[in-house]
Amino acid sequence: AQTVTQSQPEMSVQEAETVTLSCTYDTSESDYYLFWYKQPPSRQMILVIRQEAYKQQNATENRFSVNFQKAAKSFSLKISDSQLGDAAMYFCAYRSLRGTDKLIFGTGTRLQVFP
Amino acid sequence: SQTIHQWPATLVQPVGSPLSLECTVEGTSNPNLYWYRQAAGRGLQLLFYSIGIDQISSEVPQNLSASRPQDRQFILSSKKLLLSDSGFYLCAWSGGTGLEQYFGPGTRLTVT
Repeated sequence: AQTVTQSQPEMSVQEAETVTLSCTYDTSESDYYLFWYKQPPSRQMILVIRQEAYKQQNATENRFSVNFQKAAKSFSLKISDSQLGDAAMYFCAYRSLRGTDKLIFGTGTRLQVFP
Repeated sequence: SQTIHQWPATLVQPVGSPLSLECTVEGTSNPNLYWYRQAAGRGLQLLFYSIGIDQISSEVPQNLSASRPQDRQFILSSKKLLLSDSGFYLCAWSGGTGLEQYFGPGTRLTVT
């Protein structure tokens, strides 16, 4: 079974600085998708970025980018030019291409942004 | 554009009482629908998913059940709540290839 591990329960960053959130996963599959979701205090989950395992190029969405290392099964999220509104819980998630399309989530990293 | 609604937003229920949480999606047809539960300080766990009306699969044996009486309506129910049913319940939908799931605002359930 697939698992997702986020080893940083909390991280902090100063406004305008860059922060990297870590995620590792375990799978025997070669094709899958990885996601980062943001959960602000409102608790609604918001999709931040998606990475297809078959793509070598790292995904980028504005200030958010990932470092996808398939061999190492690592999928970190880099937030550049951090803003106060980036403060939230961040969840890494795995989606298999087999069977159900359920998402398997890590336990999350709480990001604090200081002015 | 697509929107997803959940209600109620918060709910406090005594142990042994019934439960009904509702989720509806607008702006799309034949979505895949999902119920997740988030326990305090934890990630999300998939409870049920549905690929069509009356087509529901359960991921985790539990005290809960789900129904999909209409294409864009997904209901989470229980006949008798347990203390362990407390948590934050999120509904999500996906369309087409189902690669990305979009979440509703959630329901915070407290069982007392």
